[in-house]
Amino acid sequence: QLQLQESGPGLVKPSETLSLTCTVSGGSVSSNSFYWGWIRQTSGRGLEWIGDYYPSGQSGRTYYNPSLKGRVTISIDTSKNQFSLKLTSVTASDTAVYYCARRRLIDYGGIDFWGQGTLVTVSS
Amino acid sequence: DIQVTQSPSSLSASVGDRVTITCRASQNIAKYLIWYQQKPGKAPDLLIYGASSLHTGVPSRFSGSGSGTDFTLTISNLQPEDFATYYCQQSHSSPRSFGQGTKLELK
Repeated sequence: QLQLQESGPGLVKPSETLSLTCTVSGGSVSSNSFYWGWIRQTSGRGLEWIGDYYPSGQSGRTYYNPSLKGRVTISIDTSKNQFSLKLTSVTASDTAVYYCARRRLIDYGGIDFWGQGTLVTVSS
Repeated sequence: DIQVTQSPSSLSASVGDRVTITCRASQNIAKYLIWYQQKPGKAPDLLIYGASSLHTGVPSRFSGSGSGTDFTLTISNLQPEDFATYYCQQSHSSPRSFGQGTKLELK
């Protein structure tokens, strides 16, 4: 059974970089049948898609939400079977529960596995 | 960007009832519409993909329909475990936007 587990600091200071890692077990992040991505959730804004990584070719392909204005980077470490999120120049509005997730390439791209979520608070 | 508008935002019903939740996309997304169920403190679970195909293990009392811009999720014969929040998501194009959610509560 596939499992995804987020890890990283639960508290980040304003203007700093939020860094989270998702460790995948029971499957491979190298699989080209899936996208690997991040979604966040707040009570005010609901669910927000952050971006996806597709392991294609040597460097993969990334897709990001333009609303994050170039602050986001998603990368993969195949040696550790992990993928990561970096969000720079954070503000209080980036406070959210962050989920890592696997999205299917076929079947209209539904997200079939999610991590349990990790709360990240942006505060000084 | 494609906007997804979900309604109602909340809904009260009883065990055994039939309820319908709607989702409208701001442009034609064919059948690229996904439904999720989320319970408090948990990640969402995939219910339906391609507007009407049930994900593995999802009970048949859940059904989805629609194409283009208008979609519905119907739950027949509500069970106690169905009281949760439901979200739609368009998977047609980036950014892959979600609806605002519908909280289904026990009357």
